[in-house]
Amino acid sequence: DGGITQSPKYLFRKEGQNVTLSCEQNLNHDAMYWYRQDPGQGLRLIYYSQIVNDFQKGDIAEGYSVSREKKESFPLTVTSAQKNPTAFYLCASSKSNTGELFFGEGSRLTVL
Amino acid sequence: GESVGLHLPTLSVQEGDNSIINCAYSNSASDYFIWYKQESGKGPQFIIDIRSNMDKRQGQRVTVLLNKTVKHLSLQIAATQPGDSAVYFCAENPPGNTPLVFGKGTRLSVIA
Repeated sequence: DGGITQSPKYLFRKEGQNVTLSCEQNLNHDAMYWYRQDPGQGLRLIYYSQIVNDFQKGDIAEGYSVSREKKESFPLTVTSAQKNPTAFYLCASSKSNTGELFFGEGSRLTVL
Repeated sequence: GESVGLHLPTLSVQEGDNSIINCAYSNSASDYFIWYKQESGKGPQFIIDIRSNMDKRQGQRVTVLLNKTVKHLSLQIAATQPGDSAVYFCAENPPGNTPLVFGKGTRLSVIA
């Protein structure tokens, strides 16, 4: 079945450690996105990529990094520079940068 | 209710009644709008969309209304069921090659 797979679903890390969240899609979508969601809040855009080997910062890119070496994959690294990394992270993809987004099931990161 | 501070507005509806969820969007030039449903701990799912050349679109038990004059979008759910309990987000597609912009969300709580 086509879709977006995020892993891991739950992740615990110690403060000061980098952590990488995986996002893979087999929908043949060109664009991919990472959002952060805090409890009771909306979605805030971290990074997005419209094409392989290219990506743009979203509204809250500080403390995060991404890569887009393959069309199917858009991993997000939460670095130690991110001051408050505990959150629910959502990956999404779309055929183009202006169409409907298809979301993964999310990864919940807890920094202890 | 209105969205203030960190808390999502909440709409409580009796099972079987109709629900109306409202959204004010920001860009008068946005040409495409989507409603998403997000259940607890999951990624948002597409419900229904509408283009700016329409003012109403109906799906199964859901209707989206678009009022471009006042930049207002609404989602109507007929005969609300307990499974409709979730957070609902509207999203707009601004002009240019930019990602969807999400609203803050409304929590729908269905009372059995």
